[in-house]
Amino acid sequence: DAGITQSPRHKVTETGTPVTLRCHQTENHRYMYWYRQDPGHGLRLIHYSYGVKDTDKGEVSDGYSVSRSKTEDFLLTLESATSSQTSVYFCAISGTTLRVNTGELFFGEGSRLTVL
Amino acid sequence: DAKTTQPNSMESNEEEPVHLPCNHSTISGTDYIHWYRQLPSQGPEYVIHGLTSNVNNRMASLAIAEDRKSSTLILHRATLRDAAVYYCILTRALGGAQKLVFGQGTRLTINP
Repeated sequence: DAGITQSPRHKVTETGTPVTLRCHQTENHRYMYWYRQDPGHGLRLIHYSYGVKDTDKGEVSDGYSVSRSKTEDFLLTLESATSSQTSVYFCAISGTTLRVNTGELFFGEGSRLTVL
Repeated sequence: DAKTTQPNSMESNEEEPVHLPCNHSTISGTDYIHWYRQLPSQGPEYVIHGLTSNVNNRMASLAIAEDRKSSTLILHRATLRDAAVYYCILTRALGGAQKLVFGQGTRLTINP
């Protein structure tokens, strides 16, 4: 299994509170991603990172920010959580600096967030 | 971006082969065909990928049509653990991040 750890795995919070989800990898992979999964929408890319301090927006980035201060950690922050951000969040990693990526991503086990 | 079309659901029996189809009629010459699966309450898992030739690995086989407009994921002997949602995704070889676009996939049910 790819060394990806997401924390927390489950969180219940209230509308308006800040929330940070953490993704930690032990694979030294260059690229990291945050996806969310909702019924009827499948998996959608929120943000991704292509290196330390290098990030970019995905398909559904509004309301989210990310940071990557170390290769191994990619944080997803909801500055002020809303009920529409209730979802399952998956972190993924890919690639090394040694070869071209053809599309193999390794996913974490997910973080289930409920915003009341 | 080229899109894929998969049946919403399929059903098979344990210990029988399963053929999961995927249509990608607008595929470009540099697109790779990837398959992922997602078991209940887990993150997606890479299964297999190919470009032009058929591919085999320990999990499955991938058969690619000669015109590359369709492909089939083959599970040779299904087990109950193969019950999952299977996603067919097109990607391009890049020297950068791979922003996978997931569709709805095919929900595979395996009967004992």
